[in-house]
Amino acid sequence: DTAVSQTPKYLVTQMGNDKSIKCEQNLGHDTMYWYKQDSKKFLKIMFSYNNKELIINETVPNRFSPKSPDKAHLNLHINSLELGDSAVYFCASSQFRTSEPLFGPGTRLTVT
Amino acid sequence: RKEVEQDPGPFNVPEGATVAFNCTYSNSASQSFFWYRQDCRKEPKLLMSVYSSGNEDGRFTAQLNRASQYISLLIRDSKLSDSATYLCAPTGSSYKLIFGSGTRLLVRP
Repeated sequence: DTAVSQTPKYLVTQMGNDKSIKCEQNLGHDTMYWYKQDSKKFLKIMFSYNNKELIINETVPNRFSPKSPDKAHLNLHINSLELGDSAVYFCASSQFRTSEPLFGPGTRLTVT
Repeated sequence: RKEVEQDPGPFNVPEGATVAFNCTYSNSASQSFFWYRQDCRKEPKLLMSVYSSGNEDGRFTAQLNRASQYISLLIRDSKLSDSATYLCAPTGSSYKLIFGSGTRLLVRP
């Protein structure tokens, strides 16, 4: 299936831990994103990469570090997890940076 | 003022009804506009783009009013399966989408 996939789907961890979420798209898209949707359902962009280059970096704590090893992959590493990091994290991709994004299924992160 | 504002609803309508949602945006430089649909505990899915001249896709009609800075979505002949949250998303700087918090639609039998 052509799609945007993310792993894991659910992640439950304790405060202070470090965790990673992986994302892959097999659509041949140039641009990939990380979005965060909090408990109030606001969906906000965190980062965007275009051809492996960081092009959008919103006001996100330094504990969040994206990495794009190639055009098809964009991973998100989070250090020293905090309770407020609990949210659903969506990876997305778009054909070009000006195209609308296609979202992955999301990773539901719960920090206890 | 929020960048994108939507009435959270819920809009509770019977099957077959016509329902309309509005969304206002603050950035007059927004170039592109989209409506996404999000089912409970699922990812947002693109419903339709919104063009300056307005556009229609089956039972769905989207319109853009640049002067008043709002976009609208009209759903005719509502189906039970239309129950979802509808997110509007104009582009901001660097073409990034700015999502509204969504309008919840419940279609009842």
